[in-house]
Parts: sequence; C-alpha cells; structure tokens
Amino acid sequence: GQQVMQIPQYQHVQEGEDFTTYCNSSTTLSNIQWYKQRPGGHPVFLIQLVKSGEVKKQKRLTFQFGEAKKNSSLHITATQTTDVGTYFCAYDRGSTLGRLYFGRGTQLTVWP
Amino acid sequence: EAQVTQNPRYLITVTGKKLTVTCSQNMNHEYMSWYRQDPGLGLRQIYYSMNVEVTDKGDVPEGYKVSRKEKRNFPLILESPSPNQTSLYFCASGSQPQHFGDGTRLSIL
Repeated sequence: GQQVMQIPQYQHVQEGEDFTTYCNSSTTLSNIQWYKQRPGGHPVFLIQLVKSGEVKKQKRLTFQFGEAKKNSSLHITATQTTDVGTYFCAYDRGSTLGRLYFGRGTQLTVWP
Repeated sequence: EAQVTQNPRYLITVTGKKLTVTCSQNMNHEYMSWYRQDPGLGLRQIYYSMNVEVTDKGDVPEGYKVSRKEKRNFPLILESPSPNQTSLYFCASGSQPQHFGDGTRLSIL
C-alpha cells in the first residue's frame, strides 16, 4: 500500500498566489522524486532529492527534503496558469531497484 | 529523441474481448512498468519488469498479464477485460527518473 500521504488533495489559487504541496511518510525515505502531470497529459519528472535537508530550486519552484527524510515539499511562488496540473511525489524503497511508489497527488487549479 | 510509445491511445471495447496495449521505448532502459490512473487514486502500479524475461506484480496485477521478450517492448495484456478495468493506463521506462508514455484510455463496456 501507499506509504506517503500527499496534502492537500486539491488546491485552488488565484494567479500570483503561492502554492505548497506536502509529501509525508511514516518511514525514512532513501530519496523522493516529484512529477507534474498537466491536464490530459502524462507525468513528467521534475526533480529528485536524495540528501537530508536538501533544497533545490527550479525558477519559481522550490523543493525540500526534510532533515529526517520523512517528508518533502514543493513550493511554487507566484503561481501562473501554466502551473495547472497534478503534482505527484514518488519514492523507491531501495531494495527493489527502479520500482517507484507514487503519492495520490495534489491537483492545482489556478484562476487567472 | 527519447520516447515511450504506447498504442492505442484510445480504445472502447466489450467485456471479455482480449486486448493488448503495446509499449515501446528507445532509451535502452532495463526497467519498465505499467500503471493505471483512476480519479482520486493516483498512479497504481500493475506490473513491472527489471529486465528481459524478468517481470513482477505491482500493487494491482489482477486481470492483467505482461511479457518482456525484448528490452524495448513491454506489452500489457487483458485476457478477459471487465468494466472495472476501464481506466487510463501509462507505460513508463527507466527508474530515476521514469519516462512516461502518453497514456491509453481504455473503456470496457
């Protein structure tokens, strides 16, 4: 079963507002990946975090991996309509090379 | 160009009529997998393959079969489709990261 909880499930923001989605695990994760799926599209890889406390930025997107490696967040500053979509976190258990386990995703809607 | 190609993109069929969804990748990845996506349930893994002739069940394998006779291809087989298999299916290739195909929307009547 799924080991990560993503919250919130849905988020509606006005363009220009910030957005954050969280991925929480009950156990320590070896790494975390984030994917974005546009409406009608397929998931697309955004980033992977591996180190405790790691922070990575991609333009307006900031990704964090918690110190205990049990949680992660994706923060978007000043959302744009192009940010619309569902954001998934995913992790592997390390023991089964390659197999990813996905959270249920956060669906972001941005009003113009 | 790196690609994962799924066919068909859309299919409407009837209960019990065997169907195959093909998946092909050109990235020489050893790892491939199949997911189904249903509203509110995210991506659930059906089967995965770590290499040629090596396949294993994911979280929701019932009613599905796969084969991996060559590295580039990983077809998903529904021997006797049922309405509860109506879903959006994604093939993925690679592990870190995974590259997804465009998806196949199956409707089983």
